Amino acid sequence: NAGVTQTPKFQVLKTGQSMTLQCAQDMNHEYMSWYRQDPGMGLRLIHYSVGAGITDQGEVPNGYNVSRSTTEDFPLRLLSAAPSQTSVYFCASSSQPGTSYEQYFGPGTRLTVT
Amino acid sequence: QQQVKQSPQSLIVQKGGISIINCAYENTAFDYFPWYQQFPGKGPALLIAIRPDVSEKKEGRFTISFNKSAKQFSLHIMDSQPGDSATYFCAASKVYSNTGKLIFGQGTTLQVKP
Repeated sequence: NAGVTQTPKFQVLKTGQSMTLQCAQDMNHEYMSWYRQDPGMGLRLIHYSVGAGITDQGEVPNGYNVSRSTTEDFPLRLLSAAPSQTSVYFCASSSQPGTSYEQYFGPGTRLTVT
Repeated sequence: QQQVKQSPQSLIVQKGGISIINCAYENTAFDYFPWYQQFPGKGPALLIAIRPDVSEKKEGRFTISFNKSAKQFSLHIMDSQPGDSATYFCAASKVYSNTGKLIFGQGTTLQVKP
């Protein structure tokens, strides 16, 4: 099992550009989520999904869109990048939807918006 | 609003010493308290977790102490090793929740000197 994979590892965007951060898992997990990590703030939940076709907002959803067409993939879209979205983004998955148990994190995407 | 406060921000310990990281939470509805370990360039990985029905949980050199009345919990790393050098995040959540949302502390960077 590759676990949770994320691409790209690094990305630099200009203000106003859009892009999609990719996340995939091969563990057949129903629950997937996106967090952003900022210095001194820990990790904060952006969006989550409890299964294919079902997504919902987390704590800091503004400026981000998600979709879940398959169990394996959960892409995060930045609609119009802003410097405030400079961060490290982590995708996570869990085999236990409806709980916060056993969340597996990917290696992260470091995004810089200039 | 920071619902989970973690201290210290950074910690330097000699090899063989005890590392102690503290967290305090506000929401009395939280009933799951995991610790995550993150090495540079990697995603967080679940290290150890506790539910409030016990005051202590030990796994190898890692121990969580939990004080429900004080709304505090801590991670103790006994016989600290250079390989333990990493960033540690405490988190708190309601276990049974559709969001699966973890509220993370700010993180502690631990350096264990040989």
